Amino acid sequence: GAVVSQHPSRVICKSGTSVKIECRSLDFQATTMFWYRQFPKKSLMLMATSNEGSKATYEQGVEKDKFLINHASLTLSTLTVTSAHPEDSSFYICSARVGQGVNSPLHFGNGTRLTVT
Amino acid sequence: GENVEQHPSTLSVQEGDSAVIKCTYSDSASNYFPWYKQELGKRPQLIIDIRSNVGEKKDQRIAVTLNKTAKHFSLHITETQPEDSAVYFCAASSSGGTYKYIFGTGTRLKVLA
Repeated sequence: GAVVSQHPSRVICKSGTSVKIECRSLDFQATTMFWYRQFPKKSLMLMATSNEGSKATYEQGVEKDKFLINHASLTLSTLTVTSAHPEDSSFYICSARVGQGVNSPLHFGNGTRLTVT
Repeated sequence: GENVEQHPSTLSVQEGDSAVIKCTYSDSASNYFPWYKQELGKRPQLIIDIRSNVGEKKDQRIAVTLNKTAKHFSLHITETQPEDSAVYFCAASSSGGTYKYIFGTGTRLKVLA
């Protein structure tokens, strides 16, 4: 149980285009999902908290107009990288929590490797 | 906000030896501390977690200890095997409604056969 599916796993796009990444909770409902960014050999940097039916909460330094998050249902959150540039190339990974309490573990998607040329 | 520091950044041990990874956190309100293992190109996988009402938890070769007073917690892997080689991340749940995780910087563990 507690499977989080992320799509696509890899994407290559040209500079200036937008890319949408989907994160789905397959066997549970997730009112909250989290989007992380991971640079090579680096830690997981929290970008934003996605809340179903309301606006996402962005971490300091993360441009909300650059990284659009939509959480329209209890099983789907999307991250759109708008007007992508080479510096946006990274590994993006979503996660969701089963249950709402602080002690509920996060389950991660399989990540999306974005390459902007 | 919460800040989590993790040491060492890299760790090499001989197969069969023990490995210890340490983390410290800053927010005294944090009360849940998971550990994740990430193999190259794959998603982080939860391997063990500990809640603030206990000081130690063990699951076969893996154990975690927590010292709330000092605000640090550690991962212990005994009888290491080559398949334990991966990057390990600690995390602390921050206070606030969404209980978001803040991760440590990671430890790259290499188990030498």
